[in-house]
Amino acid sequence: EVQLVESGGGLVQPGGSLRLSCAASGFTFSDHYMDWVRQAPGKGLEWVGRTRNKANSYTTEYAASVKGRFTISRDDSKNSLYLQMNSLKTEDTAVYYCARGPPGIPGAFDIWGQGTMVTVSS
Amino acid sequence: DIQMTQSPSTLSASVGDRVTITCRASQSISSWLAWYQQKPGKGPKSLIYKASSLESGVPSRFSGSGSGTEFTLTISSLQPDDFATYYCQQHNSYPLTFGGGTKVEIK
Repeated sequence: EVQLVESGGGLVQPGGSLRLSCAASGFTFSDHYMDWVRQAPGKGLEWVGRTRNKANSYTTEYAASVKGRFTISRDDSKNSLYLQMNSLKTEDTAVYYCARGPPGIPGAFDIWGQGTMVTVSS
Repeated sequence: DIQMTQSPSTLSASVGDRVTITCRASQSISSWLAWYQQKPGKGPKSLIYKASSLESGVPSRFSGSGSGTEFTLTISSLQPDDFATYYCQQHNSYPLTFGGGTKVEIK
């Protein structure tokens, strides 16, 4: 079964850091672009960023709202995606989803995880 | 950034109804538009990509159309499992952006 499972969410103070993980299974992880998308409580979806695959040099893209604070990385040997979040702000409070980019369809997502909640509060 | 505007924001309908949701882009995105369904407490589910290509396993009552700046998602005969929130997303250029969502409620 194709699956993405996020972990690492929790409560963190403003200015703090947190690292999210996404474990992939059921498909060849290394072939795919992978993304993070977030959803603030009661709000819509907001794209956070992307890492491309090895064939595309693992290059990354970020939303302006997180650029310079968040870093996306991956470990293909562990079928895992990561989101390092630094200098967290209250407005970063959201459910964070990892999502898979389908091959040949740039920018779309075909598989999503169930999400992990991040709360930034003092 | 490309702004995506969905309408309506809420839609009340009955089982068996034909439902249409509209998504407009602030500039042309060719056919690079996707649709997702989200139920409370769950991650989104992919329905359609490239404006009209149905994701594998998605019922044929779902269809998408449009190009340029205007797109529609149509559910030909609403089923109980279809009551959810629907989002459009442009996958033409970075930053990738979503519409604000359309909640389909039971009438």
